[in-house]
Amino acid sequence: SYELTQPPSVSVSPGQTARITCSGDALPKQYTYWYQQKPDQAPVLVIHKDVERPSGIPERFSGSSSGTTVTLTISGVQAEDEADYYCQSADNNTPWVFGGGTKLTVL
Amino acid sequence: QVQLVESGGGVVQPGGSLRLSCAASGFTLRNYDMHWVRQAPGKGLDWVAFIRYDGSNKYYGDSVKGRFAISRDISKNTLYLQMNSLRPEDTAVYYCVRGEHDYGDSWGQGTLVSVSS
Repeated sequence: SYELTQPPSVSVSPGQTARITCSGDALPKQYTYWYQQKPDQAPVLVIHKDVERPSGIPERFSGSSSGTTVTLTISGVQAEDEADYYCQSADNNTPWVFGGGTKLTVL
Repeated sequence: QVQLVESGGGVVQPGGSLRLSCAASGFTLRNYDMHWVRQAPGKGLDWVAFIRYDGSNKYYGDSVKGRFAISRDISKNTLYLQMNSLRPEDTAVYYCVRGEHDYGDSWGQGTLVSVSS
């Protein structure tokens, strides 16, 4: 079955830039979406179609894509950004596939 | 405003059955794809099932295929997940999610299913 690979954890200090990657063979052909999930809350979309930011999401959140890897970048990380982040895409056989998730720790 | 409210979770023995419901408001199910996504305690998101907006197609994750069934009642604007032959590894919070193109734009608060003897 199709898999998306994320690093389990990323740590940054406040004000620094956090980069979270997501890799998958089908990513050049399918859009990727990013969700933020805080403890005991449902996920919230922070990036759609690889690079677009939904209304209400701070400008410090951005997305990029290169080949089989997409990246969520959080510039000027704030304490409130500490959360789990999941990438989501699809392949020909599966409507949705999630990455394993990355725990962002703000030191 | 869009709202999704799941119900029907609880404790069930291995091999048992449970039916989850998701009451939708602020939109009509006939216009949107819908998904069920689950999250085991301390684990990541796991896509479970999908039903197309017109009901024409249904898809399931490999781990639930043949045991779970997604359905909907348009008159009640409610989505369902019938879960049979439950296993301990099915223990999770189950989210009802509205699909907008290829992503989830609205999520319910989730309902906890615990499979244990």
